[in-house]
Amino acid sequence: GNSVTQMEGPVTLSEEAFLTINCTYTATGYPSLFWYVQYPGEGLQLLLKATKADDKGSNKGFEATYRKETTSFHLEKGSVQVSDSAVYFCALLEGAQKLVFGQGTRLTINP
Amino acid sequence: GAVVSQHPSRVICKSGTSVKIECRSLDFQATTMFWYRQFPKKSLMLMATSNEGSKATYEQGVEKDKFLINHASLTLSTLTVTSAHPEDSSFYICSARTSGSYGEQFFGPGTRLTVL
Repeated sequence: GNSVTQMEGPVTLSEEAFLTINCTYTATGYPSLFWYVQYPGEGLQLLLKATKADDKGSNKGFEATYRKETTSFHLEKGSVQVSDSAVYFCALLEGAQKLVFGQGTRLTINP
Repeated sequence: GAVVSQHPSRVICKSGTSVKIECRSLDFQATTMFWYRQFPKKSLMLMATSNEGSKATYEQGVEKDKFLINHASLTLSTLTVTSAHPEDSSFYICSARTSGSYGEQFFGPGTRLTVL
């Protein structure tokens, strides 16, 4: 079946550092790909998405490019802030509405 | 974005009792809601898909008689954990999907269930 693998956390960075959170997937075909973010005490929120190969999703300074050659959708941000501290989930869409999630990566940004 | 609430946020119960968790879409109607379970340091695992007015569709390995799902209206779905045991302790998350072919899922904040 389809699956998503994220880099293990936790990840701790200093403010203004460059961020990469790796995500690779195994799937039949080319599913839509997503990054969700969960801030403390809140529900998951859609951060960005890409629906086809070579698409780049972006939001709030975060970017991820759909790479079918490497079956990857790595999340990047050039300069992180303390407010980016959260848990990040990579996911793919299986069929019309079923989301398959990675295990999540906890990110902590220190001032 | 759309808002989904869950109640309660935390619940502690004794083994053998039943617990009901509510999921509400506050500012939109959701014909489809989803229930997930999250173990520590594990991904969210879909338990079931709930469609308004019809029976829920359970994922393989999920006991439908243990995890009762009712989606009685377009804004409310409930998950009842029946005869709870300590191994049912987990974080339960619901989501609600907006309508249309490209509907988006909006997630509730989750419910922490602890069974003693």
